Amino acid sequence: AQTVTQSQPEMSVQEAETVTLSCTYDTSENNYYLFWYKQPPSRQMILVIRQEAYKQQNATENRFSVNFQKAAKSFSLKISDSQLGDTAMYFCAFITYNNNDMRFGAGTRLTVKP
Amino acid sequence: KAGVTQTPRYLIKTRGQQVTLSCSPISGHRSVSWYQQTPGQGLQFLFEYFSETQRNKGNFPGRFSGRQFSNSRSEMNVSTLELGDSALYLCASSFGQLAGQETQYFGPGTRLLVL
Repeated sequence: AQTVTQSQPEMSVQEAETVTLSCTYDTSENNYYLFWYKQPPSRQMILVIRQEAYKQQNATENRFSVNFQKAAKSFSLKISDSQLGDTAMYFCAFITYNNNDMRFGAGTRLTVKP
Repeated sequence: KAGVTQTPRYLIKTRGQQVTLSCSPISGHRSVSWYQQTPGQGLQFLFEYFSETQRNKGNFPGRFSGRQFSNSRSEMNVSTLELGDSALYLCASSFGQLAGQETQYFGPGTRLLVL
């Protein structure tokens, strides 16, 4: 079975600080992509960052970066210099080649406090 | 470029009725995937259409169906509504040629309430 686990239902961080959201996944496939999506209270799901499993280098997008550990099947998201606008639900997801059935974790609700 | 659009945004139905939701993908995208989001089950994949053909299907009963038109717009239909069908229905689009290797872009969702 292909599953995604986010063990932190809720987290909070002070504005300007750094926070790390955890994600582990389970798959027997070797070719896949990993994603972090953000869903603010308005409900529009937005892509934060993506990682190709065959790439060893961790993806970064401005203040967002990942720590991808393929052997451990771990894919954590680090948010640096947190901003109030980062308050949202964050979903970890993965998808395997030749299949658009994206699997999501249960989500982590992140609150950035002023 | 316009994003993924979904209509209607909100819908209230009663048990036993049927409902049709619509999704217009980003221009140039030919794949449309549908997801159901509920507090209890989270985000679950319903099905995916590419070039008017259903390419993947999730584990949902036959009451959930969909189709895609030649302009890549997609509709999903739920017949004989049940209370448990109350959810946010999200659609996502991608180019589609390389399933599983492309980013999916989501629409704002249709909030369905079944009474």
